[in-house]
Amino acid sequence: SQQGEEDPQALSIQEGENATMNCSYKTSINNLQWYRQNSGRGLVHLILIRSNEREKHSGRLRVTLDTSKKSSSLLITASRAADTASYFCATTGGGSNYKLTFGKGTLLTVNP
Amino acid sequence: ETGVTQTPRHLVMGMTNKKSLKCEQHLGHNAMYWYKQSAKKPLELMFVYNFKEQTENNSVPSRFSPECPNSSHLFLHLHTLQPEDSALYLCASSQSGTGASYEQYFGPGTRLTVT
Repeated sequence: SQQGEEDPQALSIQEGENATMNCSYKTSINNLQWYRQNSGRGLVHLILIRSNEREKHSGRLRVTLDTSKKSSSLLITASRAADTASYFCATTGGGSNYKLTFGKGTLLTVNP
Repeated sequence: ETGVTQTPRHLVMGMTNKKSLKCEQHLGHNAMYWYKQSAKKPLELMFVYNFKEQTENNSVPSRFSPECPNSSHLFLHLHTLQPEDSALYLCASSQSGTGASYEQYFGPGTRLTVT
């Protein structure tokens, strides 16, 4: 069954603006990961946040996790045209440490 | 370059053909995965291999047959596929171990078209 679900499905912003994407999930998790995919290519891991963490930073990325609301957000600050891609959240849980369940993704378009 | 390579990158095959997809990882990982990505659907996990042993088969039809001869190589053998099997097939690898979760490293994918 689908675990993560991203919102919005598509987001279009201007270069330099911040982009926020949200992810909701249904069951308890071990961790939540965010991945990026350029059109028709493989996924690239961005950041992993564990269930006992609330916030994590990596460069221009900020991820929050609220396990009480079963939700996470990914913030990309000072966006660039090169950030244009699909962004997916994925969760592990339910007794499995390796089985990732992905959402449908958010398509981010950053206009120059 | 993620350290995971996939060949071929594009494949067109008829429904009666037999073909194989190949994945190789150069990261020293012990877990390898096959995923299917279809348009407008979430990425679907197909198979998981951990230390060369299959630990997950996500109700995949038998026309898809995986093979993992060692921790660095993973194959997906295809036969008598259907047009709805057309998709991007992604291979991934990760560390493995009990009590921990690890990020996965993906290959660039094989774009499969079944005619």
